[in-house]
Amino acid sequence: DSGVTQTPKHLITATGQRVTLRCSPRSGDLSVYWYQQSLDQGLQFLIHYYNGEERAKGNILERFSAQQFPDLHSELNLSSLELGDSALYFCASSPRGLAGDHEQFFGPGTRLTVL
Amino acid sequence: AQTVTQSQPEMSVQEAETVTLSCTYDTSESDYYLFWYKQPPSRQMILVIRQEAYKQQNATENRFSVNFQKAAKSFSLKISDSQLGDAAMYFCAYRSATGGGNKLTFGTGTQLKVEL
Repeated sequence: DSGVTQTPKHLITATGQRVTLRCSPRSGDLSVYWYQQSLDQGLQFLIHYYNGEERAKGNILERFSAQQFPDLHSELNLSSLELGDSALYFCASSPRGLAGDHEQFFGPGTRLTVL
Repeated sequence: AQTVTQSQPEMSVQEAETVTLSCTYDTSESDYYLFWYKQPPSRQMILVIRQEAYKQQNATENRFSVNFQKAAKSFSLKISDSQLGDAAMYFCAYRSATGGGNKLTFGTGTQLKVEL
């Protein structure tokens, strides 16, 4: 158990809908990262938040957005869902999000299925 | 942009034998970190081993060791005395030590099968 929690574990929805994925980092970790794992694109970095502020963006679609709240949990919002958005979404956390952080700790992931 | 390449989609090894998984990467940076992550059927991402680019000594963690060749931009993982529990997808990953938002860039993975 990495100490990172993600809810829900599974999510099934229809095209065009909107969903919210939630992540709670390890106690004391200030940085949260979101990754997408799909058959087509592999494992891709989406976005990084540090202490409530966006630090870096990867290949994140405009239909996707994220935020980190004062209690440091993070939410990834996916809207106007398409079949191709079906994937495993991971959240990871690290203490500071600086180069000195040697490891990102991954949550168990949320499996999103878009029908 | 950095890229990570794993050219072996699948590998097989007999229990108790040794197997080496290959990884190459492309970067113009001199300071970075390299990782091997294991993803078993549970889909949990588990860190296996980490290598700092500034360190010449190859990292080892029990039965897992790496062969880091900085000039060749190669980072292979050796698993000794393979066990059934080692069966998983293995991902090689790169992270900049000087910028890039601390993101991990992953290879496409190598599926390791362990046979009796």
